[in-house]
Amino acid sequence: QVQLQESGPGLVKPSETLSLTCTVSGGSISSYYWSWIRQPPGKGLEWIGYIYYSGSTNYNPSLKSRVTISVDTSKNQFSLKLSSVTAADTAVYYCARGFRFGEPLDYYMDVWGKGTTVTVSS
Amino acid sequence: SYELTQPPSVSVSPGQTARITCSGDALPKKYAYWYQQKSGQAPVLVIYEDSKRPSGIPERFSGSSSGTMATLTISGAQVEDEADYYCYSTGVFGGGTKLTVL
Repeated sequence: QVQLQESGPGLVKPSETLSLTCTVSGGSISSYYWSWIRQPPGKGLEWIGYIYYSGSTNYNPSLKSRVTISVDTSKNQFSLKLSSVTAADTAVYYCARGFRFGEPLDYYMDVWGKGTTVTVSS
Repeated sequence: SYELTQPPSVSVSPGQTARITCSGDALPKKYAYWYQQKSGQAPVLVIYEDSKRPSGIPERFSGSSSGTMATLTISGAQVEDEADYYCYSTGVFGGGTKLTVL
């Protein structure tokens, strides 16, 4: 059974870059798509973007200018970088495994990590 | 931008049928997915491709889609089904529906 675990700093200063890593265990990162999703306190879910194990990506247009998702197949990990953060980026960040078929946004997530809380504050 | 609209809350008594709707203009052409999120936990996929149930999800969970509306049905809702439910399609989540079972 594949499991995902998010890791990274829980506190980031405004204007800096948020960096998180998701480690995949119990299965290979190859042949799947891998996503980041976030949830601000008391609010709903927001899809951030995904990466294929080969490196191709697709990002939420509302975040595209600030987001980079990368993959390290040798470590079975993928990562999120979100630049120029503000308090509005405070959220629980989840990583998830996904499936894509057809067009780039014909995509969904099946297995999720437990999430990690990131607070943006000075 | 594309939106999926859900009712903020649904309430049923134990044993009753709960129906949660999700409306979106692309749903006639795109699949809907449903996630259950219990308090303090990560979301769990309960329905994929409109009506398919992942292994391990109880049979009381079912999904359907017609036109611009997808529906999650919980037949004989149980207290443990109390959670937030989110529909999802093509990179967009609905706002979520809080299901109360009491």
